[in-house]
Amino acid sequence: AQSVTQLGSHVSVSEGALVLLRCNYSSSVPPYLFWYVQYPNQGLQLLLKYTSAATLVKGINGFEAEFKKSETSFHLTKPSAHMSDAAEYFCAVSTPDGGSQGNLIFGKGTKLSVKP
Amino acid sequence: DAMVIQNPRYQVTQFGKPVTLSCSQTLNHNVMYWYQQKSSQAPKLLFHYYDKDFNNEADTPDNFQSRRPNTSFCFLDIRSPGLGDAAMYLCATSRDKVVSYEQYFGPGTRLTVT
Repeated sequence: AQSVTQLGSHVSVSEGALVLLRCNYSSSVPPYLFWYVQYPNQGLQLLLKYTSAATLVKGINGFEAEFKKSETSFHLTKPSAHMSDAAEYFCAVSTPDGGSQGNLIFGKGTKLSVKP
Repeated sequence: DAMVIQNPRYQVTQFGKPVTLSCSQTLNHNVMYWYQQKSSQAPKLLFHYYDKDFNNEADTPDNFQSRRPNTSFCFLDIRSPGLGDAAMYLCATSRDKVVSYEQYFGPGTRLTVT
């Protein structure tokens, strides 16, 4: 069965600092992984996804994530935080088979705060 | 722009009074999902439609029903809302049930139960 663990329910960084949001997955088959961002009172927006084409995935708004099979990780990074990055971030894995194929299993989310 | 639209954005209902939330999409996607998201929690899948086929999650209460009259529209009916049903309800779509396809989310409807 697939699962996702996000370490740190709340991360705070200063504007201009590196953003690192952690995601570890568990999957019995090669996983398909996604990062979504949610701003207050909004739906989820896709930041990037890993579908086995390349281990370093670039997304929108300057974010990227690296798939590391040996560490079962898919951490999200951004070199320099902006105030506008303050939001909640969800890592998700897609279920591969049966009637649930394509369903997303979400981590619990990490709320990112950016200090001026 | 192709998109997922949810109406209303905010809905207030009374305890026990049926309520319907609406979702429409211009993406022509085959799959439509309904999620419940409570404060500071991950979205929880309630059910989804794959074309006309309805797929209920095992732990979704009977109080929650859904209808998909055509490709573009999907409705979430809560027959007798309780205080515990107050949440953000998110609709999402996907082109097909393929493991690599992403889901596209609407802005959500925040439901308050008084």
